[in-house]
Amino acid sequence: DAGVTQSPTHLIKTRGQQVTLRCSPKSGHDTVSWYQQALGQGPQFIFQYYEEEERQRGNFPDRFSGHQFPNYSSELNVNALLLGDSALYLCASSRARAVNTDTQYFGPGTRLTVL
Amino acid sequence: AQSVTQLGSHVSVSEGALVLLRCNYSSSVPPYLFWYVQYPNQGLQLLLKYTSAATLVKGINGFEAEFKKSETSFHLTKPSAHMSDAAEYFCAVSKGGYQKVTFGTGTKLQVIP
Repeated sequence: DAGVTQSPTHLIKTRGQQVTLRCSPKSGHDTVSWYQQALGQGPQFIFQYYEEEERQRGNFPDRFSGHQFPNYSSELNVNALLLGDSALYLCASSRARAVNTDTQYFGPGTRLTVL
Repeated sequence: AQSVTQLGSHVSVSEGALVLLRCNYSSSVPPYLFWYVQYPNQGLQLLLKYTSAATLVKGINGFEAEFKKSETSFHLTKPSAHMSDAAEYFCAVSKGGYQKVTFGTGTKLQVIP
């Protein structure tokens, strides 16, 4: 049973560029949440997708956008990259309509470096 | 708004000693509380969670945590530290269900041989 997978593992971009990160949820999961973890900090909630729609959003600018596909996989897009966007981006999946819908399973993350 | 405060960004214990990582929460509704562990260059792994059932929660790898409403605390303990416990630990809170999870700033645990 594959867990949450993310690609790529590492990414280097320059300021002003755009980036797309990808996430495949754990088998049987239909909800995907994205988090940004800056160095030395705890993860910060970016947004959550369910049924191909953004259901919740944290305090992140519109430069951060996402998408969920019919197979429940998800993308995180960041436009006009800033140096401060350098971080580990974590994807977490969960299953709606489950007794333990509150339990999220995290992927290994994508390390984004903006130069 | 919900939040958690983790006291001590770094904690060092000797191998075999008690591990105690502190977490206090703030929530306007009955909270769901979590402890996650993160090993270097890896994602987060759920250690245990409190969801309004038993106040003493047992997790994986011998860890447990006790929910104390009067103290708004959810401290993580392990009777005897092992070298493999060296990692960063995050306390987190949510309103339950699909609601977003808010994490603390983390505590790095060092285990000294």
